[in-house]
Amino acid sequence: AQSVAQPEDQVNVAEGNPLTVKCTYSVSGNPYLFWYVQYPNRGLQFLLKYITGDNLVKGSYGFEAEFNKSQTSFHLKKPSALVSDSALYFCAVRDPSGAGSYQLTFGKGTKLSVIP
Amino acid sequence: NAGVTQTPKFRILKIGQSMTLQCTQDMNHNYMYWYRQDPGMGLKLIYYSVGAGITDKGEVPNGYNVSRSTTEDFPLRLELAAPSQTSVYFCASSEPGQGSPLHFGNGTRLTVT
Repeated sequence: AQSVAQPEDQVNVAEGNPLTVKCTYSVSGNPYLFWYVQYPNRGLQFLLKYITGDNLVKGSYGFEAEFNKSQTSFHLKKPSALVSDSALYFCAVRDPSGAGSYQLTFGKGTKLSVIP
Repeated sequence: NAGVTQTPKFRILKIGQSMTLQCTQDMNHNYMYWYRQDPGMGLKLIYYSVGAGITDKGEVPNGYNVSRSTTEDFPLRLELAAPSQTSVYFCASSEPGQGSPLHFGNGTRLTVT
């Protein structure tokens, strides 16, 4: 079975400081990993994904994420936080070799608050 | 450029009533999904479809039914609504391929009392 853990319910960061939102995963095969962002009263929006290749992937709005196979992690990062980055962030995993390979499993979400 | 459209945005049901949540997409995506989102619980997959006429259960299908008669539409039916079905429901679509990202609608907030 595949699973995702986001260990922090909330992350607070000052505007202009770097931010990190943590994610760890568990799959039996090689993972496909995704980050989504949700603004209030909206659906989730895709930020970035890791399928294969370079461990550092870049996505929308200046976000990037680093895949670490040995630590089974896929942390989301941004060098300089903006107040407009305040939102709910979800990590998701898919095991393409698993029986339920169409299913995308989401973490519980991390609320990011960027303080002016 | 509508993307994924869900109706209604809000609905209050009494216990035992039924209703259909509508979802339509204009991106010609083969894959469509229904998720429910509960506070602090992330998203749980209810049903998904890989094409017209093909549907399959996700993680939490009990109490729900779906159909997929066209590529564009993927309605979710609630029969005999229960308070446990109070949630925010999201429809999503994607291109084929397990690396394809999901495109989400803005959700339907359902309360069962």
